[in-house]
Amino acid sequence: GAVVSQHPSRVICKSGTSVKIECRSLDFQATTMFWYRQFPKKSLMLMATSNEGSKATYEQGVEKDKFLINHASLTLSTLTVTSAHPEDSSFYICSAKDRAGLNSPLHFGNGTRLTVT
Amino acid sequence: QKEVEQNSGPLSVPEGAIASLNCTYSDRGSQSFFWYRQYSGKSPELIMSIYSNGDKEDGRFTAQLNKASQYVSLLIRDSQPSDSATYLCAVISSNDYKLSFGAGTTVTVRA
Repeated sequence: GAVVSQHPSRVICKSGTSVKIECRSLDFQATTMFWYRQFPKKSLMLMATSNEGSKATYEQGVEKDKFLINHASLTLSTLTVTSAHPEDSSFYICSAKDRAGLNSPLHFGNGTRLTVT
Repeated sequence: QKEVEQNSGPLSVPEGAIASLNCTYSDRGSQSFFWYRQYSGKSPELIMSIYSNGDKEDGRFTAQLNKASQYVSLLIRDSQPSDSATYLCAVISSNDYKLSFGAGTTVTVRA
């Protein structure tokens, strides 16, 4: 099946610093990747849609200047949490579709657990 | 009304029994439905997709879809302790084709 690799799996940072999370599609090209956030015992919430070669599309309520997304190639999207604060502590998960088609399922990376102290 | 609704559980079943999970959705035009399994601390894993009314079987899993009732379910037969996880129902919106998730149902299989 499709493999989406995410790195790092866990990161602890101090308040005010920035953290970069990488998401790679290993065996397919992904023109679009999706970034989700999940708080404990809550469901996944879509943060933004990452588009290769163009600007990301952010969901309502998600600050684009705080969550910087770059999708420079067909296999790599990055999410940078800038000036992180404790309330940004969460589980961040990227995903992609392994084939064209608006109704295709998403495959998820292993997630990044961010803890801001 | 939430776009995708599930019973949060927890659902506890004995080993070998059938676990039945339900999901309703609000977007009548949705055409694509998925079940994901998420172990604690891990990311979701796709286990079933269903696009047409009726049943779809894959191993011990059976997904059932009824578009008229806007209802999709998942049956897990011969439940095993390794099936203990949170099961997420997901639906693709007919408007913007984004994937929306239910809150998940936590299943515990008792050995």
